[in-house]
Amino acid sequence: AQSVSQHNHHVILSEAASLELGCNYSYGGTVNLFWYVQYPGQHLQLLLKYFSGDPLVKGIKGFEAEFIKSKFSFNLRKPSVQWSDTAEYFCAVKGQGAQKLVFGQGTRLTINP
Amino acid sequence: DTEVTQTPKHLVMGMTNKKSLKCEQHMGHRAMYWYKQKAKKPPELMFVYSYEKLSINESVPSRFSPECPNSSLLNLHLHALQPEDSALYLCASSQDSNTGELFFGEGSRLTVL
Repeated sequence: AQSVSQHNHHVILSEAASLELGCNYSYGGTVNLFWYVQYPGQHLQLLLKYFSGDPLVKGIKGFEAEFIKSKFSFNLRKPSVQWSDTAEYFCAVKGQGAQKLVFGQGTRLTINP
Repeated sequence: DTEVTQTPKHLVMGMTNKKSLKCEQHMGHRAMYWYKQKAKKPPELMFVYSYEKLSINESVPSRFSPECPNSSLLNLHLHALQPEDSALYLCASSQDSNTGELFFGEGSRLTVL
């Protein structure tokens, strides 16, 4: 069975700080990996995805994530956060052959101006 | 803005009412989903339709009844709900049910009195 673990429940940073949100998954096979973001009052939207190829993927709004297969990790990073990055961030995994997309519990990110 | 349209945005209903939530997408996607989301929690999968056939029912109580009239439309019929069913109901679509790359609607916020 697939599972996803996000280590940080609530992260509070000041503007211009660097960000790294942890995500680990368990699945014994090939996976598709995702970060979704939910800004306050808005719909869930895709931030970035990894299917195959270069393990460093770039998404919207300056976010990137690195897939480290040996560590079963897909951490999200941004070198300099902005107040508008305040949101809930969900890591998700879809194993090849698995029926469902599995979400982590989410990390609430608060950026203080 | 999202390309998945959900109506109504807000719904208040009594426990004896019958109502429906509607979802529409025109991206040519062949998989459509219903999720339930409680505050500050990840979305919980309820149903998946693939090529207009129900492929996953996550043991959802029968007071929730999904319907997929065609490849662009998805309904969720509600009857005899309980107050604990109050939540944000999200519709999503994807190119097919294999990728995990979902496009979400803004949701219908349901309150059961």
